[in-house]
Amino acid sequence: EAGVAQSPRYKIIEKRQSVAFWCNPISGHATLYWYQQILGQGPKLLIQFQNNGVVDDSQLPKDRFSAERLKGVDSTLKIQPAKLEDSAVYLCASSLYYHYEQYFGPGTRLTVT
Amino acid sequence: GENVEQHPSTLSVQEGDSAVIKCTYSDSASNYFPWYKQELGKRPQLIIDIRSNVGEKKDQRIAVTLNKTAKHFSLHITETQPEDSAVYFCAASKAGGTSYGKLTFGQGTILTVHP
Repeated sequence: EAGVAQSPRYKIIEKRQSVAFWCNPISGHATLYWYQQILGQGPKLLIQFQNNGVVDDSQLPKDRFSAERLKGVDSTLKIQPAKLEDSAVYLCASSLYYHYEQYFGPGTRLTVT
Repeated sequence: GENVEQHPSTLSVQEGDSAVIKCTYSDSASNYFPWYKQELGKRPQLIIDIRSNVGEKKDQRIAVTLNKTAKHFSLHITETQPEDSAVYFCAASKAGGTSYGKLTFGQGTILTVHP
């Protein structure tokens, strides 16, 4: 089966600019996750969707980060405005349902200068 | 919320030796414990997982043990090979009520297997 797709793979922006990431989960997977992985650390969940509804966004910096999942399939994560500390790899993952095995995409490496 | 501590942060072994990585968790309601392997610049990949209704699970050279009373779980890799070199992450989650299986990850262990 096709895996989780993400784009772009790399992005360099200046602070205060905006950026958007796109994720296409595995077909049929109801649950979609966005994680932030800072160099040398484990992934940290930013937001979790069940179909097209948000079930956990407790660690999402809502003043600058937003995410949506249209029609319960693809998802976009946006940062506006970006800060230096947002430099990280943004990983998208999906699972058949919540509490099932999560499959990760290749990630987007964001560098904020 | 859940807190997961992972040790050691780095582990160096000779090829053929065994490697053990340990994690402790804080939320006694956690009931799912996966282990991920992440090679440099690549995505995390699930290598084994265990649910709280079992104490041990094996898959060829890899095993995971769970002690619910002590709230810790461990990854055991036997007969290590150079291709086992990577960063390993443990994680914990729970589901039920208002919990939807959010994974909380440990800090990671850099495993190096020397030929």
